[in-house]
Amino acid sequence: DAGVIQSPRHEVTEMGQEVTLRCKLISGHNSLFWYRQTMMRGLELLIYFNNNVPIDDSGMPEDRFSAKMPNASFSTLKIQPSEPRDSAVYFCASSLPGVGGELFFGEGSRLTVL
Amino acid sequence: QKEVEQNSGPLSVPEGAIASLNCTYSDRVSQSFFWYRQYSGKSPELIMSIYSNGDKEDGRFTAQLNKASQYVSLLIRDSQPSDSATYLCAVEPRRALTFGSGTRLQVQP
Repeated sequence: DAGVIQSPRHEVTEMGQEVTLRCKLISGHNSLFWYRQTMMRGLELLIYFNNNVPIDDSGMPEDRFSAKMPNASFSTLKIQPSEPRDSAVYFCASSLPGVGGELFFGEGSRLTVL
Repeated sequence: QKEVEQNSGPLSVPEGAIASLNCTYSDRVSQSFFWYRQYSGKSPELIMSIYSNGDKEDGRFTAQLNKASQYVSLLIRDSQPSDSATYLCAVEPRRALTFGSGTRLQVQP
């Protein structure tokens, strides 16, 4: 079975540009999590969805960040406009119903904002 | 106070020794606890989960939980160089996992 698939794997962009990160869940999983990892702050939860519905977006840094889940298998995280402090590795993870702590992570999208 | 605290390390142990990794958490309502391993440049992967006080063993790994002390630990017996990685403690206080900053383990051949 394919795991969680993220794209792009690497993104280098200039400050002010729009960035869109994509994630495909594992088939049968119904929860989707977006995390951000930096050396300074570790792994931080940005937002998570359950059955396509956003449950908790309190970790989203500010209005420049938005996330959508248009269907049961796909999600996007958008940053507009991007800033250098957004540089990080963004992970998407999914889980089966009822086992929210057992996350399956994608390989991550490394974002560099110049 | 951080929700989940870990010593960042590095923790250096010789091959064959026992590595002991510790974690404390602040939210008493937490019911589920996890250890993830993350190799450099890779994504975290689940290695252990524990839900009840006491010990849980899986191969060379033993997770220990003490809810009264709000303390979780991971023991790795017969440490191998391939165990060198960052170990993330994760706690589920509400609906989604909160991770510690991780302890970097180095196993010296």
